[in-house]
Amino acid sequence: EVQLVQSGAEVKKPGESLRISCKGSGYSFTSYWISWVRQMPGKGLEWMGRIDPRDSSTNYSPSFQGHVTISADKSLSSAYLQWSSLKASDTAMYHCARHANWNSGFDPWGQGTLVTVSS
Amino acid sequence: SYELTQPPSVSVSPGQTASITCSGDKLGDKYTSWYQQKPGQSPVLVIYQDNKWPSGIPERFSGSNSENTATLTISGTQAMDEADYYCQAWDRFIVVFGGGTKLTV
Repeated sequence: EVQLVQSGAEVKKPGESLRISCKGSGYSFTSYWISWVRQMPGKGLEWMGRIDPRDSSTNYSPSFQGHVTISADKSLSSAYLQWSSLKASDTAMYHCARHANWNSGFDPWGQGTLVTVSS
Repeated sequence: SYELTQPPSVSVSPGQTASITCSGDKLGDKYTSWYQQKPGQSPVLVIYQDNKWPSGIPERFSGSNSENTATLTISGTQAMDEADYYCQAWDRFIVVFGGGTKLTV
């Protein structure tokens, strides 16, 4: 079974750093890209960026460029989303999702990681 | 930046056909995917490349895309289809999602 399993919920203070993970299984991890998607409470889906685990090449949404870093470790079949200094406005559910290329749909999705940033 | 526009809500009676639209400039020149998201769950792909079914998705879900509008059609809508639906397309190496449509059955 193809699965993406994300790391658990996090509670952080403003200014702290954070890295969350997304581990793929049941398929060749380097044959598919991973995207990260933000969903703020009660709101819609926002694409943050994607990585090709084969060579770690990335593309970011202009809205998130410079605010987060996407990386991958193909030896661990894992992708990561990282913040160096969290803000309260980063409070959201973060999903990872697999896709084959620029024209394919996202399937499957991870279960989501809830990040809460509060003083 | 590229934008996709969906109606905030659509209502349908059980057994009837629901249509959810997604509008964008020259959207017909791009591939559109559709996702279903139920409360407290992650999104699920229901249509990709305009009109293809992922494994396990019932054929009552269908899609079309022409000119500036993509449409997700659910035939014989069931109570279990009540959810939020999002369209998605790629524009110059950037993924764009529509704002989402709440389908009430």
